[in-house]
Amino acid sequence: EVQLVESGGGLVQPGGSLKLSCAASGFTFSGSAMHWVRQASGKGLEWVGRIRSKANSYATAYAASVKGRFTISRDDSKNTAYLQMNSLKTEDTAVYYCTRLSEYYDSLTYYYYYGMDVWGQGTTVTVSS
Amino acid sequence: EIVMTQSPATLSVSPGERATLSCRASQSVSSNLAWYQQKPGQAPRLLIYGASTRATDIPARFSGSGSGTEFTLTISSLQSEDFAVYYCQQYNNWPPYTFGQGTKLEIK
Repeated sequence: EVQLVESGGGLVQPGGSLKLSCAASGFTFSGSAMHWVRQASGKGLEWVGRIRSKANSYATAYAASVKGRFTISRDDSKNTAYLQMNSLKTEDTAVYYCTRLSEYYDSLTYYYYYGMDVWGQGTTVTVSS
Repeated sequence: EIVMTQSPATLSVSPGERATLSCRASQSVSSNLAWYQQKPGQAPRLLIYGASTRATDIPARFSGSGSGTEFTLTISSLQSEDFAVYYCQQYNNWPPYTFGQGTKLEIK
């Protein structure tokens, strides 16, 4: 079964740190780009960042709201992605999802399309004093 | 940064009727657009990629159309399980891979 399982969420004070994990199973993790998306209570989805595969030099990218504070990494030997969150703010309070970005090739247009086709169940991060 | 705007914010439709949801990009994203469905307490689910291709196991009553800046998700005959929040997302210009703010589809 294709699956992503997040862990590591919890309550942390403003200015603190937390590291989330995302354990993958049922697919070739090492070849997949992994993203983190968050959702504050009652709000919409916000893309946080991503890490690409080894073939793409483990390139990372981040949303402006977290750049410089959050770091995404991966350990392909453990089929796990990580989100290190530092200097946390109250506005970082949310459910954090990890998700796989899959690539779809269109043989008619010779074009690649993308979609986040596997999601974890989410882990809750609360930043509060 | 590309801004994705969805309308309406809430759509009330009766079961069995058609629902049409809109998504507009602040600049062209070509066909690099996906749609997701999210039910309360659940993670999002990929419905459509490439603006118009259904993802695996998505029923044929879901269809996507559009390119450039204007996109539509149509649900041809609403089933009870379709009432949820729907998001569009662009992946043409990144970062960020921006989402729309969502459309809540509710039972009329």
